[in-house]
Amino acid sequence: EAGVVQSPRYKIIEKKQPVAFWCNPISGHNTLYWYLQNLGQGPELLIRYENEEAVDDSQLPKDRFSAERLKGVDSTLKIQPAELGDSAVYLCASSLQGKAYEQYFGPGTRLTVT
Amino acid sequence: GENVEQHPSTLSVQEGDSAVIKCTYSDSASNYFPWYKQELGKGPQLIIDIRSNVGEKKDQRIAVTLNKTAKHFSLHITETQPEDSAVYFCAASSSGTYKYIFGTGTRLKVLA
Repeated sequence: EAGVVQSPRYKIIEKKQPVAFWCNPISGHNTLYWYLQNLGQGPELLIRYENEEAVDDSQLPKDRFSAERLKGVDSTLKIQPAELGDSAVYLCASSLQGKAYEQYFGPGTRLTVT
Repeated sequence: GENVEQHPSTLSVQEGDSAVIKCTYSDSASNYFPWYKQELGKGPQLIIDIRSNVGEKKDQRIAVTLNKTAKHFSLHITETQPEDSAVYFCAASSSGTYKYIFGTGTRLKVLA
């Protein structure tokens, strides 16, 4: 069974530029999560989707961050414009609906904003 | 707010020795405690978990213990091997929620 797929794996951009990250969850997993992981820290939840609905985006900085999961499968996380402090690893995870305690993480996208 | 403290931040052990990582949580409603292993350039991988109705759980060389009264839980790795070298994260969550509160991680280095 394929795991959670993320792309790109690495991205370097200048500040004020836009950037987007893509995630394909494990097949059959209705729930999708985006996490932010700063260097030397544990992951922090940004947004959670149940199918195509964002059911918790309370931690998402909505002035510059947006996300979508139009067909309830793949998801895209966007930052516009990026700031220096956005440099981090962005992790995507998925789980079966009702089994949030079994979250499977992708390899992440390491973003560097210069 | 909810908080999970994790110690130590770095740990070096000789191959074959045991390693212990400790976490303390603040939310008394927490009842699920997973441990994740994160290797360089990879996402966290679930290695073991424990629920609040159990005091200890073991899976080969890995064990987790939970003290609900003290709000402590620990990861024990025995007979460590170089491939155990990684960053380990503990987390806590409450039944019916999906929100993991992660610790700050422990970088384990197993010296051959």
